[in-house]
Formats: sequence, C-alpha cells, structure tokens
Amino acid sequence: GNSVTQMEGPVTLSEEAFLTINCTYTATGYPSLFWYVQYPGEGLQLLLKATKADDKGSNKGFEATYRKETTSFHLEKGSVQVSDSAVYFCALGPNYQLIWGAGTKLIIKP
Amino acid sequence: EAGVAQSPRYKIIEKRQSVAFWCNPISGHATLYWYQQILGQGPKLLIQFQNNGVVDDSQLPKDRFSAERLKGVDSTLKIQPAKLEDSAVYLCASSLDPTTSAISYEQYFGPGTRLTVT
Repeated sequence: GNSVTQMEGPVTLSEEAFLTINCTYTATGYPSLFWYVQYPGEGLQLLLKATKADDKGSNKGFEATYRKETTSFHLEKGSVQVSDSAVYFCALGPNYQLIWGAGTKLIIKP
Repeated sequence: EAGVAQSPRYKIIEKRQSVAFWCNPISGHATLYWYQQILGQGPKLLIQFQNNGVVDDSQLPKDRFSAERLKGVDSTLKIQPAKLEDSAVYLCASSLDPTTSAISYEQYFGPGTRLTVT
C-alpha cells in the first residue's frame, strides 16, 4: 500500500546551517508529493509540491526534488532561520486523499 | 482569497459532553476534509465530502462522531459523547474537485480547533 516515512525529530540546528529532512515513500502509480509546514499554534500550510518525477518544488528558500528512482522527496534549505522552527510533514497524493508522514519537528537556535 | 475558516479555535469540555465544530471552506472548493491531529502525530482523515456527499468516512468513529455538509458548502463535525482520547486538534481542509481540476490534490487547511476533554 501507500506510505510515507519521515526522519524522526526533533532536528536541532543553528541559524544559517544547512537543512535536510528526509522523506521516502511507497506508492503505486505516479503520485504527487507535498511538504506541509505547521508553525506553533497554527494549521497546516502547503510549503511546496511536485507532481511528477524529476520535478523540483521550491518556496521560501526550501526545495525538494521528486526522485522516482530512490522514491524520495527530501526537503532542503541552504541557510535556516529561527523563524523556520516548525513541524514539517511530507505527504503523498496518489489520489485526492493524502497519505501523511508523522512529521519532523525542526528547532533552530540563534 | 479568503482561506478556510474554522470555529471555535479552542474548546474545553468534560467527558460525556457534546461539542460541535464548524468549517467554511474556500469558495468554489468542492471537496472538504475533516482531520484529527493528536499531539505529536500527523493528521488522520476522519471524513471526506465531495459537494454534500460523503466520499470516505471509514475512519470516523460513527458511534460518537457525526458530520454533515449541507448545501455543499459549510460543514459541522459533532462529537457526542466526548471521551478523554478525543482531545486533539480538529482540522478542516478543502480542495478543488480533483475530477475537474488540473491542480493535483492540493489541500488548504484552516487554523484548527483545539479540543481538550477533561
């Protein structure tokens, strides 16, 4: 069946460090892939998405590339800020329901 | 464009009481979702509506949870009677009709309702 696996958190980094949050998936067909972010006390916001293999989604300095050969969609950012502290969810959209990862809490220290 | 609206934002009730949550999706979005998010976990889909019809309610505890979407716009989710384990954030999301939209299944979320059952 379809599933998403994210790296466990929390991930703690210093400001301006390089960020990678790993996400791998299992799916049949050609699903869309998403990263959502949840800031403290807020709902989920779409951060970026990719709809087909080799697509790169990007937003707010974050990037993720849809890698079908490795079934991965890792989230990266070159220089994180304190304001990036949040929980990040990877999600798989094989149809109009999303399959969610467990979330990775990111803590950025000044 | 206005986002997904939810109310109330916070609710504290005692076990065995009832509670209702309201959601107004983005205008023109045919699909509406209710999720339950327990602290430290990802969202769990409770029910999905397409217009005013139910597409999937397989994970809705139907002995105590009910939901409706009259006229295919606003939706309410009710819990009666509440249990301690219902303490969670209840998220509403909406999306375009995936059968007619070229945009692939992007869901837009409201701020959520944090429910505490004591």
